[in-house]
Amino acid sequence: AQSVTQPDIHITVSEGASLELRCNYSYGATPYLFWYVQSPGQGLQLLLKYFSGDTLVQGIKGFEAEFKRSQSSFNLRKPSVHWSDAAEYFCALSGSARQLTFGSGTQLTVLP
Amino acid sequence: DAEITQSPRHKITETGRQVTLACHQTWNHNNMFWYRQDLGHGLRLIHYSYGVQDTNKGEVSDGYSVSRSNTEDLPLTLESAASSQTSVYFCASSTGAGTEAFFGQGTRLTVV
Repeated sequence: AQSVTQPDIHITVSEGASLELRCNYSYGATPYLFWYVQSPGQGLQLLLKYFSGDTLVQGIKGFEAEFKRSQSSFNLRKPSVHWSDAAEYFCALSGSARQLTFGSGTQLTVLP
Repeated sequence: DAEITQSPRHKITETGRQVTLACHQTWNHNNMFWYRQDLGHGLRLIHYSYGVQDTNKGEVSDGYSVSRSNTEDLPLTLESAASSQTSVYFCASSTGAGTEAFFGQGTRLTVV
């Protein structure tokens, strides 16, 4: 069975501060990993994905994520948060099956 | 541009009624998925299809059904709507294992 855990339900940061959102997964082999962002009332937009190779992955909007096999983690980072980054963030995993398994999400609030 | 569209965007229905939510994609993707999103649970898989005439049950399939008569459409039917099915429903499509899934804008369903 595969699963994704996002330990932080809600994170608040000040604009300009750095950000790290945590994601841990459980899967028997190397998974495909994704981060999606959801703005209020919207669908999900892909930020970045990891398939293989370089463990540091660059995405859109200045986000990056690092795959750490030893820790079963795929944390999302951004050096300087903008007010427009306020949204809900989902980590997801795809194994040999084609469907995605999602974490429960982390709601990001950005203070001015 | 290719897209995935859901209709209606909002729906209110009564307990016991049959409801069908539409999903149409122009990506020509073989894989299509239905998820429901509830607070604290992230997105949970309801049903999925890997191609025409193929349908499979997901994690939370009880009370739902789908059919796939062509590549573009995967309608989701609630056989007898229940208040527990009040949720936001997302349709998604993808090309294969480990590939990005593209999401619709969601349908907010309220069962009263």
